[in-house]
Amino acid sequence: EPEVTQTPSHQVTQMGQEVILRCVPISNHLYFYWYRQILGQKVEFLVSFYNNEISEKSEIFDDQFSVERPDGSNFTLKIRSTKLEDSAMYFCASSEEGVTEAFFGQGTRLTVV
Amino acid sequence: KNEVEQSPQNLTAQEGEFITINCSYSVGISALHWLQQHPGGGIVSLFMLSSGKKKHGRLIATINIQEKHSSLHITASHPRDSAVYICARGTGSEKLVFGKGTKLTVNP
Repeated sequence: EPEVTQTPSHQVTQMGQEVILRCVPISNHLYFYWYRQILGQKVEFLVSFYNNEISEKSEIFDDQFSVERPDGSNFTLKIRSTKLEDSAMYFCASSEEGVTEAFFGQGTRLTVV
Repeated sequence: KNEVEQSPQNLTAQEGEFITINCSYSVGISALHWLQQHPGGGIVSLFMLSSGKKKHGRLIATINIQEKHSSLHITASHPRDSAVYICARGTGSEKLVFGKGTKLTVNP
């Protein structure tokens, strides 16, 4: 069964460092998303991406964040200068169309120390 | 407010019991999603529905659009059903707005 793959599963980084979280969406999907979940809190939307550009972003997704689809398969989330409060589980998701079922990856647990 | 409310927050059941988890939302939706989050953190989509009822195995999801309410039922619950069950609403754009989840523990 097709699945969304995220790497790494866990990343520890020092405050102020740049991190790149990687995702391989399902191959025929056109919409890509990043969500995050701070420990003990609900899942929050960060950004959606379609046709090689951001289609929607939340207030959380400030200038420290960027997304890219560098080739036909990968979808990345970059955090330029990590803060302690960026520690969270980051989920990538993809869907065939914008209002169809989204499939989630297993998540990357980011720990900023 | 664009909130999604779930109840109960925590639910403990004995194996074999019938489980109901409720979700209410305050604004119109494109679709209502039920997802399962495993103890390791991974999220799996269970249902997407915009009307009526859907069934998959022992899981049943219903929605009442007029009342802005959805329920997830689990029949003949089993310890492997233990997880966090999350309701999320589709907004008409692509993003999902999530509830806080219901932590279900099924004891043998």
